[in-house]
Amino acid sequence: GQQVMQIPQYQHVQEGEDFTTYCNSSTTLSNIQWYKQRPGGHPVFLIQLVKSGEVKKQKRLTFQFGEAKKNSSLHITATQTTDVGTYFCAGHYYGGGSQGNLIFGKGTKLSVKP
Amino acid sequence: GAVVSQHPSRVICKSGTSVKIECRSLDFQATTMFWYRQFPKQSLMLMATSNEGSKATYEQGVEKDKFLINHASLTLSTLTVTSAHPEDSSFYICSARIGDQGNTIYFGEGSWLTVV
Repeated sequence: GQQVMQIPQYQHVQEGEDFTTYCNSSTTLSNIQWYKQRPGGHPVFLIQLVKSGEVKKQKRLTFQFGEAKKNSSLHITATQTTDVGTYFCAGHYYGGGSQGNLIFGKGTKLSVKP
Repeated sequence: GAVVSQHPSRVICKSGTSVKIECRSLDFQATTMFWYRQFPKQSLMLMATSNEGSKATYEQGVEKDKFLINHASLTLSTLTVTSAHPEDSSFYICSARIGDQGNTIYFGEGSWLTVV
């Protein structure tokens, strides 16, 4: 079946270092979404990428969607302790009609050492 | 690894009937489960947070009498859509938080509900 692989599973960084998490799909995605789950919270929507090769920025966060629409990355520049949490990607697959499923990656848990 | 199973994956029901969706944590105890709704190609919308043994906490705008959530055990939470209408047709997905692993959560596969 369709899968979204996300790596790494865990990432420990020193505050100020950069961080990147990657998602890969075996089949072409309709779009990809990114979510952040703060410790003790629930996943909160960050962004959706739709177009091939799309790059979007939110302050220190840069989101990319691959040209083939099979992979995506989230890059955080100069991490801060407020970036701590688990980052999930979720791929939306082309399906019959409008019923394509949203498949989540397993998430990358980021810890930031002050 | 941990698995969260949702059932059914797809269901079609008639207007006015009720339908139940189950969310099971297969190899861990989930103290908290979250229920989301997703409209086509949009982001997830949190509907409610379900804690084992207590009443669910619903997000603003979500009718608790319409979307009944029961978290009777540490491995099972159910969402019942009562008196379903076509506008309730959507993708519903649950996630479960592992009680003894801090903040790790896992998502179910989702359930497509079509109300005709």
